[in-house]
Amino acid sequence: KNEVEQSPQNLTAQEGEFITINCSYSVGISALHWLQQHPGGGIVSLFMLSSGKKKHGRLIATINIQEKHSSLHITASHPRDSAVYICAVRGRKAAGNKLTFGGGTRVLVKP
Amino acid sequence: DGGITQSPKYLFRKEGQNVTLSCEQNLNHDAMYWYRQDPGQGLRLIYYSQIVNDFQKGDIAEGYSVSREKKESFPLTVTSAQKNPTAFYLCASSIWTYEAQYFGPGTRLTVL
Repeated sequence: KNEVEQSPQNLTAQEGEFITINCSYSVGISALHWLQQHPGGGIVSLFMLSSGKKKHGRLIATINIQEKHSSLHITASHPRDSAVYICAVRGRKAAGNKLTFGGGTRVLVKP
Repeated sequence: DGGITQSPKYLFRKEGQNVTLSCEQNLNHDAMYWYRQDPGQGLRLIYYSQIVNDFQKGDIAEGYSVSREKKESFPLTVTSAQKNPTAFYLCASSIWTYEAQYFGPGTRLTVL
């Protein structure tokens, strides 16, 4: 079993729909990252969080440390949101602080 | 503009040849990283460097080598010992190892 699991693997939505991507992890962490990878391959860091909730524009990220679970929400989705969304967790100091990545969720938003 | 550059974007090499991928950053970041991405899999850490003249093996370092002679540069050499070198390679940097990482555009290496 992977240390970081994302669901769903693929998601298709109509423009304007609310999208939720889930990330579950099995190890103790110091922080969780949400990343966005566009078709060209470049990766952009969206959020880094260790508790609670963060919001940036139409994107909202939440984390529940006790349940080892995080969600990324996209409100009023748009075709330009089409990308692969990647969850990554940073281990605690004893684990060397390295990032462990989920396999990604491919999102397609249709006009 | 500050950022991370990787060159080239696409690289083709014959089997058995060593190849070096470039990664440069002008963000004044101390930490730099190399990741490999294969289809359907998460990114995997090859090597990372927390400071100039120091680097550490990641999870899949076999068949790769790096150097960190300058703060701005962290080149990755894919040697002939790497069994499956065809992949997408991403370089990243962060202020230090505990902070958010900034990624380069990636280099897609194809070994023929």
